[in-house]
Amino acid sequence: GAVVSQHPSWVICKSGTSVKIECRSLDFQATTMFWYRQFPKQSLMLMATSNEGSKATYEQGVEKDKFLINHASLTLSTLTVTSAHPEDSSFYICSARRGGKLFFGSGTQLSVL
Amino acid sequence: AQTVTQSQPEMSVQEAETVTLSCTYDTSESDYYLFWYKQPPSRQMILVIRQEAYKQQNATENRFSVNFQKAAKSFSLKISDSQLGDAAMYFCAYSTFQGAQKLVFGQGTRLTINP
Repeated sequence: GAVVSQHPSWVICKSGTSVKIECRSLDFQATTMFWYRQFPKQSLMLMATSNEGSKATYEQGVEKDKFLINHASLTLSTLTVTSAHPEDSSFYICSARRGGKLFFGSGTQLSVL
Repeated sequence: AQTVTQSQPEMSVQEAETVTLSCTYDTSESDYYLFWYKQPPSRQMILVIRQEAYKQQNATENRFSVNFQKAAKSFSLKISDSQLGDAAMYFCAYSTFQGAQKLVFGQGTRLTINP
């Protein structure tokens, strides 16, 4: 079946630094990928839709300058959390669409000190 | 905008018994997809079952089946012969049939299996 790989699984960084998270579709090409954020004991909230070769589409309330998304190839999308602060600490999950199904990466736990 | 509502924050069931998780949604579309995802403690999202809205027949996957009531905008998940490995958060989700097909999730139901 389809596999989506996400790295790193967890990252700890100092406040003010930037962190990059990678999402790769391993056995299929994904023109569209999605980035979600999940706070403890809450549901997944869509942050943005990543489109290969074009600008990402951000959901209302998500700062595009804060969460930079790049989808430079058909198998790779990256999310960069710029100038991270403790309130950005969360679980970030990517997903990629194949046919009518979405497959998810294993997620990245970001902790900002 | 589409919304998905799961009104049961927590459910529990005895091992080997049957449990039903509820989900309602709101949309003005006539064609769309509905999903149930499982999120175990590892936090990996696992697709349990998918239903296409244009299909009248309820989807089934082994011990998992749905009761899809399109007019009522209801989409419940039935788990038969519950197993300890079924313990997880369960999320109901909606996506459009066309376009970006981004998922909108419900709040989730935490399912506990009692041995």
